[in-house]
Amino acid sequence: GQQLNQSPQSMFIQEGEDVSMNCTSSSIFNTWLWYKQDPGEGPVLLIALYKAGELTSNGRLTAQFGITRKDSFLNISASIPSDVGIYFCAGDDSWGKLQFGAGTQVVVTP
Amino acid sequence: EAGVAQSPRYKIIEKRQSVAFWCNPISGHATLYWYQQILGQGPKLLIQFQNNGVVDDSQLPKDRFSAERLKGVDSTLKIQPAKLEDSAVYLCASSPLRGASTDTQYFGPGTRLTVL
Repeated sequence: GQQLNQSPQSMFIQEGEDVSMNCTSSSIFNTWLWYKQDPGEGPVLLIALYKAGELTSNGRLTAQFGITRKDSFLNISASIPSDVGIYFCAGDDSWGKLQFGAGTQVVVTP
Repeated sequence: EAGVAQSPRYKIIEKRQSVAFWCNPISGHATLYWYQQILGQGPKLLIQFQNNGVVDDSQLPKDRFSAERLKGVDSTLKIQPAKLEDSAVYLCASSPLRGASTDTQYFGPGTRLTVL
């Protein structure tokens, strides 16, 4: 099956810094999604990307769908304490069947 | 609008016992998903329902796992008998339409299962 490699595994950053993480796949996806999961909660959708090359922003978050359709990245600008959590990429090959990366743990220090 | 509800939130059992989880999706959502999330990993799809029919159960270990969505609304996931490696968070998600890639999935808080 398809494998999603998400990096980095964890990040320790200071408040105000920018954060970048990426996801690569061995195969093509039609949709890339980025989710955030807080402790004890389910993942919440942050950004959805539907077209190769697409660059989409949601507040301080920016994500891009790679032109090869095998990768995506997420940037968080000017991090704040509530950005703490685990960020997951997910690829959708068809009909809502998502495959998730292993996640990037973000820790923000004041 | 109420979110996806799951119960129980936590369950501790011994290996070889049985356990069941319940999910109530967002009202009107046609598609329901069960995921298994092992500690340190992303969620893995176990089964996808559209209304009361199974769309995809290719990753469901059918020798011990079963799921049903009899009336096309709420759903139960059962494990019988449980193994140590079943320790995980079981997430339920629902989406409004027919599981298309443009259809947003909304996740519940999950049930954390510990098998001793």
